[in-house]
Amino acid sequence: EPEVTQTPSHQVTQMGQEVILRCVPISNHLYFYWYRQILGQKVEFLVSFYNNEISEKSEIFDDQFSVERPDGSNFTLKIRSTKLEDSAMYFCASSPDMPNQPQHFGDGTRLSIL
Amino acid sequence: AQSVTQLGSHVSVSEGALVLLRCNYSSSVPPYLFWYVQYPNQGLQLLLKYTTGATLVKGINGFEAEFKKSETSFHLTKPSAHMSDAAEYFCAVSVNTGNQFYFGTGTSLTVIP
Repeated sequence: EPEVTQTPSHQVTQMGQEVILRCVPISNHLYFYWYRQILGQKVEFLVSFYNNEISEKSEIFDDQFSVERPDGSNFTLKIRSTKLEDSAMYFCASSPDMPNQPQHFGDGTRLSIL
Repeated sequence: AQSVTQLGSHVSVSEGALVLLRCNYSSSVPPYLFWYVQYPNQGLQLLLKYTTGATLVKGINGFEAEFKKSETSFHLTKPSAHMSDAAEYFCAVSVNTGNQFYFGTGTSLTVIP
């Protein structure tokens, strides 16, 4: 069964540095998402992406964050000037040709800011 | 605005016993409802979904859930717990005016041998 893959599985970064989290969504999916899960808390929506542009974003997704689909397969989340509170598990997800269809999640990238 | 409440952050059941994980939602428009399971160090795996139609939905691994509009609930059940069911379970809601999912805080299920 096709999977969403995320790399790296664990990223350690110094505070203030930029980090890029990478995702390869399922190939025939058209909607892409990033979610965040701070340790012990709920999974929180960050952003959704469709047709090469952001379709929805939460209040968490401020100017520090950006997303990009640089080629036909990758979907990236860039976090600039990382802060301690950015430490979390970041999940990428994708869904097929319509919204509200089940989203398929990757295994996540654990981001640790030192 | 949409939200999800999962009552009970931790649930323990004996192997072979009924599993009941509670989920209540708040939505001003008809919701789409989902249950996901998360095993340690893994992503979220879809268990089942409700979009329209039959209110009792069956999912993988013997789980099922019933959409009760009058109670704004979507509780997850399984008649007989297996050791392999031990995991974190998340209820989520979305609506047709947007495509983000709103997740509950999760329920950690422990199965006692």
